[in-house]
Amino acid sequence: DAGVIQSPRHEVTEMGQEVTLRCKPISGHDYLFWYRQTMMRGLELLIYFNNNVPIDDSGMPEDRFSAKMPNASFSTLKIQPSEPRDSAVYFCASSGRSRTEAFFGQGTRLTVV
Amino acid sequence: AQSVAQPEDQVNVAEGNPLTVKCTYSVSGNPYLFWYVQYPNRGLQFLLKYITGDNLVKGSYGFEAEFNKSQTSFHLKKPSALVSDSALYFCAYASGGSYIPTFGRGTSLIVHP
Repeated sequence: DAGVIQSPRHEVTEMGQEVTLRCKPISGHDYLFWYRQTMMRGLELLIYFNNNVPIDDSGMPEDRFSAKMPNASFSTLKIQPSEPRDSAVYFCASSGRSRTEAFFGQGTRLTVV
Repeated sequence: AQSVAQPEDQVNVAEGNPLTVKCTYSVSGNPYLFWYVQYPNRGLQFLLKYITGDNLVKGSYGFEAEFNKSQTSFHLKKPSALVSDSALYFCAYASGGSYIPTFGRGTSLIVHP
């Protein structure tokens, strides 16, 4: 298995633009997580899905953030409109029912200028 | 509120010496505890976990951790450090049954040649 795949690896965008981050979880995993990493706040859980259904989105910072999981092999995190304070590394992770550890993608480094 | 704490932002150790990265937890019930490592510009990689059973847990790359209920600690250890162990280490917990990892702030481990 190729592991959790995230795209793009790097994204530079202008303030006000829409940004879409993509994630392909490990096949067979039924949990998917989106985390954000910053120096100030560390690793924050934004939202997680179980069997493609959003379970807890209390970590999503604002209505500008939205996430979808249309099927078991794909998820998106969208920021619209983006702001400079959204600059961070965004990680997607997945885990399976029989395993308790999460497997992380390599992250998307987002810079909003 | 439930949490894990990593009291040291940075740990310095000489190559060949034993290393310890500290983690304490404040989690109700029977916590699941984890250690992850993050190398520069990479996602987090799972090292080891404590779910139940033997308090001494062995993981990847020669690391181990001891679950200590009386001291509410789960310190990461390695008998002999390598320069290649230099990375950011995260302690995490999941409340029993939830499988949703919540991470500490991380500790930067620097191993000097």
